[in-house]
Amino acid sequence: GQNIDQPTEMTATEGAIVQINCTYQTSGFNGLFWYQQHAGEAPTFLSYNVLDGLEEKGRFSSFLSRSKGYSYLLLKELQMKDSASYLCAAMDSNYQLIWGAGTKLIIKP
Amino acid sequence: DTAVSQTPKYLVTQMGNDKSIKCEQNLGHDTMYWYKQDSKKFLKIMFSYNNKELIINETVPNRFSPKSPDKAHLNLHINSLELGDSAVYFCASSQGEESSPLHFGNGTRLTVT
Repeated sequence: GQNIDQPTEMTATEGAIVQINCTYQTSGFNGLFWYQQHAGEAPTFLSYNVLDGLEEKGRFSSFLSRSKGYSYLLLKELQMKDSASYLCAAMDSNYQLIWGAGTKLIIKP
Repeated sequence: DTAVSQTPKYLVTQMGNDKSIKCEQNLGHDTMYWYKQDSKKFLKIMFSYNNKELIINETVPNRFSPKSPDKAHLNLHINSLELGDSAVYFCASSQGEESSPLHFGNGTRLTVT
């Protein structure tokens, strides 16, 4: 079956760096997305990776290894507003998104 | 100038009732979706429409029916509501290409009592 695994919850300190991991098993692969979802709000797009390597966007970077079925989201210089859930979603060969349950990130002062 | 808007934001109703949730997007996107997010936070695709044609219809009960009067609208109608239908429902749209991200509405929190 198709599956996405990511940690349920992580805690980090303001100003620090945190890495949120995601492993996926899909029938075929057409890319991996990361979304941010604040409590009570809609998910918002952060990044898309389809080739191996690191994509950097300001304080946020996303990494993909297709051979390992693995991705991570790296958040630098953490701010209190980064407290949110981070959703990993992989696109299968039918271009359908398979979603993880999200990682709740708690930022402490 | 909201990109994807859905109404209502909150919906409280009793079992057995019929209700609708409306969704509109002004992004000019080709594809619109309905997702259900349960208490465990999993996002589950329910339907998607591309140019008014249903292209995904997951195994949702036939009490749920999507209606798309035009490319910018995808409404969700639910008949005979059940307790298990309580969840947050998100409308979304995308350009339809594999790399195109989803743009979500703010969600409708449905509570069935």
